[in-house]
Amino acid sequence: DTEVTQTPKHLVMGMTNKKSLKCEQHMGHRAMYWYKQKAKKPPELMFVYSYEKLSINESVPSRFSPECPNSSLLNLHLHALQPEDSALYLCASSYYGGLHNEQFFGPGTRLTVL
Amino acid sequence: DAKTTQPNSMESNEEEPVHLPCNHSTISGTDYIHWYRQLPSQGPEYVIHGLTSNVNNRMASLAIAEDRKSSTLILHRATLRDAAVYYCILRDVTPNAGGTSYGKLTFGQGTILTVHP
Repeated sequence: DTEVTQTPKHLVMGMTNKKSLKCEQHMGHRAMYWYKQKAKKPPELMFVYSYEKLSINESVPSRFSPECPNSSLLNLHLHALQPEDSALYLCASSYYGGLHNEQFFGPGTRLTVL
Repeated sequence: DAKTTQPNSMESNEEEPVHLPCNHSTISGTDYIHWYRQLPSQGPEYVIHGLTSNVNNRMASLAIAEDRKSSTLILHRATLRDAAVYYCILRDVTPNAGGTSYGKLTFGQGTILTVHP
């Protein structure tokens, strides 16, 4: 299994809602990542988890709350989002966080905030 | 982070070679050059990476200039499936609190490759 899966594929939420994005991999990878991609822009790193611990937070607003319950799962909890948070949210994983290890990306969750 | 410069777009015909250039004049001695591509409606996928020597794999070849200030991704025979945004990335090593290093991916604007039948 060389796949990163993300659910849901699409999500529409209001600014007062709480929702969660889910990411799963079964490749034995110990580093997992969240990226945000606005339309026609490159992906931007949000968070990095290594061995289930948060290692990098790229100054992301607290309305985004990541969680790594185990080595295969990564969640992104969303609360009180703004319309400008509408974007494609990509999850990725790699064996470790080092230079050589390619990142495997999921297809993303397309989020619309109304 | 060291930056890369790529053309906004390039075009190719099917079954012809494609040379995608990337300039990285501020590259440091320990930066690895990575290429990823993003097909329409998909997440990015790894293509190839290298440090100093030219590299080949089943997808592409990477030619690195002797001074490492530029590189070229070579697709030997473009297919329609190769139409994508190609990102040239200098992989930054960012130590975490535990002392291990990360190859953080900082994507630039990329090159949109169009392949004509």
